[in-house]
Amino acid sequence: DAGITQSPRHKVTETGTPVTLRCHQTENHRYMYWYRQDPGHGLRLIHYSYGVKDTDKGEVSDGYSVSRSKTEDFLLTLESATSSQTSVYFCAITVAEGIEQYFGPGTRLTVT
Amino acid sequence: GENVEQHPSTLSVQEGDSAVIKCTYSDSASNYFPWYKQELGKRPQLIIDIRSNVGEKKDQRIAVTLNKTAKHFSLHITETQPEDSAVYFCAAGASGGGADGLTFGKGTHLIIQP
Repeated sequence: DAGITQSPRHKVTETGTPVTLRCHQTENHRYMYWYRQDPGHGLRLIHYSYGVKDTDKGEVSDGYSVSRSKTEDFLLTLESATSSQTSVYFCAITVAEGIEQYFGPGTRLTVT
Repeated sequence: GENVEQHPSTLSVQEGDSAVIKCTYSDSASNYFPWYKQELGKRPQLIIDIRSNVGEKKDQRIAVTLNKTAKHFSLHITETQPEDSAVYFCAAGASGGGADGLTFGKGTHLIIQP
């Protein structure tokens, strides 16, 4: 599982509330990613990080922010959750200097 | 940016037959093409990948082919078994630009009929 954990694994929240999802890795990987998965859309990149404090936007970044203050943690924040952000969120890493990506177990977020 | 199209969206085959899933990509800079298998409620798992310097790669019952000129790549599963039932995703990316992430197809639901 490439030493990746995500928390929480499930969350139900109300529209307009802030939500933070955490991705934690234990193997000092440099690159980390947040994807969302929705039926009919596959996996879409939200944000990624190439080092501590180094982040950039992906395909569907609107409404999301990220932070990486430590190598092992990559946080995804929904400042004001909307129903369209109901999804399964996956964190991923690449190993060493390669490009192979490995995914965390996912977080199922429901915004009511 | 990159655009990856995947077909078919659903594929039903008899156990023991072969299954083929096809993907096309748009960005000629892409040079890395992985395939992921995702079982219900689980994370996507990398099952095979190919880089643009080779045309084919095989691992037991699964193989991937790449046609750079036509910008398409395919996953072949032979002698299908019930445990092959899952959703399969293709993706494209650029090594060295691995930091930019992968672009995924929308997935193929493979159903193995007993």
